[in-house]
Amino acid sequence: DTGVSQDPRHKITKRGQNVTFRCDPISEHNRLYWYRQTLGQGPEFLTYFQNEAQLEKSRLLSDRFSAERPKGSFSTLEIQRTEQGDSAMYLCASSLTLSPGATSGYTFGSGTRLTVV
Amino acid sequence: DAKTTQPNSMESNEEEPVHLPCNHSTISGTDYIHWYRQLPSQGPEYVIHGLTSNVNNRMASLAIAEDRKSSTLILHRATLRDAAVYYCILRDNDNYGQNFVFGPGTRLSVLP
Repeated sequence: DTGVSQDPRHKITKRGQNVTFRCDPISEHNRLYWYRQTLGQGPEFLTYFQNEAQLEKSRLLSDRFSAERPKGSFSTLEIQRTEQGDSAMYLCASSLTLSPGATSGYTFGSGTRLTVV
Repeated sequence: DAKTTQPNSMESNEEEPVHLPCNHSTISGTDYIHWYRQLPSQGPEYVIHGLTSNVNNRMASLAIAEDRKSSTLILHRATLRDAAVYYCILRDNDNYGQNFVFGPGTRLSVLP
């Protein structure tokens, strides 16, 4: 296993277009997280899944943002009608539930850098 | 979420020890102290974590104050590859739904 993979690494899109990013977590990890990071700031939590269930999505930035993990393996993050303010690094991480209530540390991917022009 | 306070930036010379401080005066009894670092153009990576006792691993050491209101990440011999943003994060390991909340971190520069 080569860790958490994100695709694409870079995406340039025109304002108003829809974009979709993919994340492949570590295969045995059951939890998957999406974060957004803007320049000079720490990563900002967006949403997470345990297996295929999306357990927290209130932090998604607007209804233009949505995420799926249909079979509990890879996940996609979609942004509809992109705006210039959506330009950021989108990071995916995964972790493993160790016991009820406890999870391992996070393994992050290298991110997808989105530029909206 | 209990908050942490870190200096915005620090500098170190190569091959010298580095002590990165973190204040967390509102830490609760079940909060673990986690450190992650983010190299340029990479996602964050795990460095170390602890609860009460000092911890050592191959990357670093974590020194936790007796009252747990502060901690220090120690890089014993800084290399140029240690130049990164270092994040100190508290997380209650007993809280199933809690996620890591990152602050702005400390940007460490290592001078040759």
